[in-house]
Amino acid sequence: EVQLLESGGGLVQPGGSLRLSCAASGFTFTRYAVGWVRQAPGKGLEWVSAIRGSGSNTYYADSVKGRFTISKDDSKNMMYLEMNNLRAEDTAVYYCAKRRYEAAGDFDFWGQGTLVTVSS
Amino acid sequence: EIVMTQSPATLSVSPGERATLSCRASQSVNSNLAWYQQKPGQAPRLLIYGASTRATGIPARFSGSASGTEFTLTISSLQSEDFAVYYCQQYNNWPLTFGGGTKVEIK
Repeated sequence: EVQLLESGGGLVQPGGSLRLSCAASGFTFTRYAVGWVRQAPGKGLEWVSAIRGSGSNTYYADSVKGRFTISKDDSKNMMYLEMNNLRAEDTAVYYCAKRRYEAAGDFDFWGQGTLVTVSS
Repeated sequence: EIVMTQSPATLSVSPGERATLSCRASQSVNSNLAWYQQKPGQAPRLLIYGASTRATGIPARFSGSASGTEFTLTISSLQSEDFAVYYCQQYNNWPLTFGGGTKVEIK
């Protein structure tokens, strides 16, 4: 059974940093791309970042490029999102999600999300 | 960036009735289109991928279709558990983009 469990959310001041983690299980971690999707309070879904199963390529939404870094540790089946220079508009529930293929595809499994609040 | 436009924003339907949700892409996404269902306080759940393939465990009352850049999600006979928000998403091009969602509410 595929499971994705996010952690690391919380309250942070504008300009601050936070690292989100996603623990994956139930699938071969290196064979599937994974990524982050966020949802601001009362709003729709916004793709944030993705990484190939091999870890060879990373992708970012323009809204976070240069501030967020995605990475993975295959030995631990973990994915991370390092978030720097946080802004109020980054406030959202952040979901970890698995993609159908190593490099592409829909998001076929999702975690339950972790809330990030950026406020002074 | 490919813009995904969903309509209507809200759809009021009685249980047992048919619901038709639309999603339009601003340019071709081939068949790289998914539909997700989200209930309050829950993570999104994949319903349809490849524009028309039901995900594992999804009931047959959910179906997807495509015509060019127009995509449709049909729920043939709405059950109480189907009242939720539905999102389409293209995964043909970077950045990946979602539609704004359609809320299906009880009439």
